[in-house]
Amino acid sequence: SQQGEEDPQALSIQEGENATMNCSYKTSINNLQWYRQNSGRGLVHLILIRSNEREKHSGRLRVTLDTSKKSSSLLITASRAADTASYFCATGPVFGTSGSRLTFGEGTQLTVNP
Amino acid sequence: NAGVTQNPKFQVLKTGQSMTLQCAQDMNHNSMYWYRQDPGMGLRLIYYSASEGTTDKGEVPNGYNVSRLNKREFSLRLESAAPSQTSVYFCASSERFDTEAFFGQGTRLTVV
Repeated sequence: SQQGEEDPQALSIQEGENATMNCSYKTSINNLQWYRQNSGRGLVHLILIRSNEREKHSGRLRVTLDTSKKSSSLLITASRAADTASYFCATGPVFGTSGSRLTFGEGTQLTVNP
Repeated sequence: NAGVTQNPKFQVLKTGQSMTLQCAQDMNHNSMYWYRQDPGMGLRLIYYSASEGTTDKGEVPNGYNVSRLNKREFSLRLESAAPSQTSVYFCASSERFDTEAFFGQGTRLTVV
């Protein structure tokens, strides 16, 4: 099964509201990353948080990481219609565990209504 | 700087035909990946190459083969296409196995 699992699967909000997506994982990680995918396009990296970090900001994005609960959240503040996309978390493994590659969750489909 | 380039962008195959999906990156990355994405689903890893000269199976390798031709290029081959392989295929690369991944624009493959 996937290492990362996003929750909720789908989220619909109004423009200007905040959007929160969650990711849970199973094994030890070196870092956790969030990606965005516009319909039919390749994924684009948004932000990376290391296992020794608890919170990170980038523009309107805020990511938290709780390694004790093996979970992360992505908050998009003051959402815009252009934020409509699928959002994926990916876990970067500790070297020698879970294979040497990123593992993606199944994504959260965010719809921001104008 | 083109990033990750995939070819072709679209392909229709008949059941039993073979084809090779090409992927090249110009960022001098060590790791390269092939994923498939089915409608409404996440990415499933087919094969990856942690460094030049190595390849490893991912979650769904059956029916596929790969070649890491050199540091830049990582190809995916379907030897005998099946309708179940209808999907969008993404190639990606990263400097290391746990760093930011850069994705190509995808190949939409339909097997009839």
